[in-house]
Amino acid sequence: EPEVTQTPSHQVTQMGQEVILRCVPISNHLYFYWYRQILGQKVEFLVSFYNNEISEKSEIFDDQFSVERPDGSNFTLKIRSTKLEDSAMYFCASSEVSGGIGAQFFGPGTRLTVL
Amino acid sequence: TQLLEQSPQFLSIQEGENLTVYCNSSSVFSSLQWYRQEPGEGPVLLVTVVTGGEVKKLKRLTFQFGDARKDSSLHITAAQPGDTGLYLCAGAINFGNEKLTFGTGTRLTIIP
Repeated sequence: EPEVTQTPSHQVTQMGQEVILRCVPISNHLYFYWYRQILGQKVEFLVSFYNNEISEKSEIFDDQFSVERPDGSNFTLKIRSTKLEDSAMYFCASSEVSGGIGAQFFGPGTRLTVL
Repeated sequence: TQLLEQSPQFLSIQEGENLTVYCNSSSVFSSLQWYRQEPGEGPVLLVTVVTGGEVKKLKRLTFQFGDARKDSSLHITAAQPGDTGLYLCAGAINFGNEKLTFGTGTRLTIIP
């Protein structure tokens, strides 16, 4: 069964460093998302991406964040200068159609720890 | 800000019992999805409901979307220890609005 994959599973970084989290969405999906979950809290939407551009972003997704689809398979989230409060699980998701109609399938997540 | 409140927050019952968990909001959702999440893993999709009043069954799990599309319920019949986990509801406000708003979650424990 097709699934969303994410690498790395765990990333440890120093405050101020740049990190890139990688995702391979399900191959025939057209809509891509990033969410995050701080330990013990709700899953929160960060950004959605379609047709090589951001379609919606949350207040969390400030200038320190960027997303890219560098090739036909990968979808990346870059945090330019990490802060302690960026420590969280980051989940990539994809859907075949717009999320309001279709279902979003989530990857296993990347645990980001900022020291 | 759209909020999804789930109740109860925690539920612990004996194997074989039935249970219902709820997902409520003051907002109308175009669709609602139920996920199950294990510790340290991503949410796994169980079902999507899109029509007010819709009922979907997945083996011993029955999902219902409220007539007004503001609430949903998940009913489990004859709960088994394998049902233990965190159940999340997540809604999308508008068709074409791709953001999912997640609920607070219900942590279910089935005691053998």
